[in-house]
Amino acid sequence: EDQVTQSPEALRLQEGESSSLNCSYTVSGLRGLFWYRQDPGKGPEFLFTLYSAGEEKEKERLKATLTKKESFLHITAPKPEDSATYLCAVDTSGTYKYIFGTGTRLKVLA
Amino acid sequence: EAGVTQSPTHLIKTRGQQATLRCSPISGHTSVYWYQQALGLGLQFLLWYDEGEERNRGIFPPRFSGRQFPNYSSELNVNALELEDSALYLCASSNAQRPQHFGDGTRLSIL
Repeated sequence: EDQVTQSPEALRLQEGESSSLNCSYTVSGLRGLFWYRQDPGKGPEFLFTLYSAGEEKEKERLKATLTKKESFLHITAPKPEDSATYLCAVDTSGTYKYIFGTGTRLKVLA
Repeated sequence: EAGVTQSPTHLIKTRGQQATLRCSPISGHTSVYWYQQALGLGLQFLLWYDEGEERNRGIFPPRFSGRQFPNYSSELNVNALELEDSALYLCASSNAQRPQHFGDGTRLSIL
């Protein structure tokens, strides 16, 4: 069965304290892995798409990486405005539906 | 460019009633997806429409249904509402290039 697991469930960081969020997946065929950010009461906001192992994408303080079994979202020198829930999703071969993890709730303290 | 828009923002119903949720995709996107996000749970895939046809369906009862119109907008209908249907319903759109872009959802509350 296709499955996506995110860890940790919650993470509290001091402003400037870098860390990484993990997304591990077990799927029959990976067409793409996606990272989203979701603020309370809002829909997920697209961040990155990764298609193959070894691929990396960067945006401001965020960097996403992909291996054959997992993806990491690295947050460098986070700021309070980076506080949100970060969601990982996979698009598996032939289904065109995303399978989402349950997310990591990130809180960055000033 | 305008994003995915959903209406209404909030919807309050009672058990047994029917709810209709609406979604307008990003211009140029032909696919619309519906997801349910219940409190404390991840997004669960409901339905996928493309070019007016239902292409895939998640593991939800038949009282969850929908349609896509010629202008690619979409409706999600939920019949015989139950308390556990209370959730944030999210619509996303995409074209063949992916990825899916989401609206801010409709908060459905069942009393």
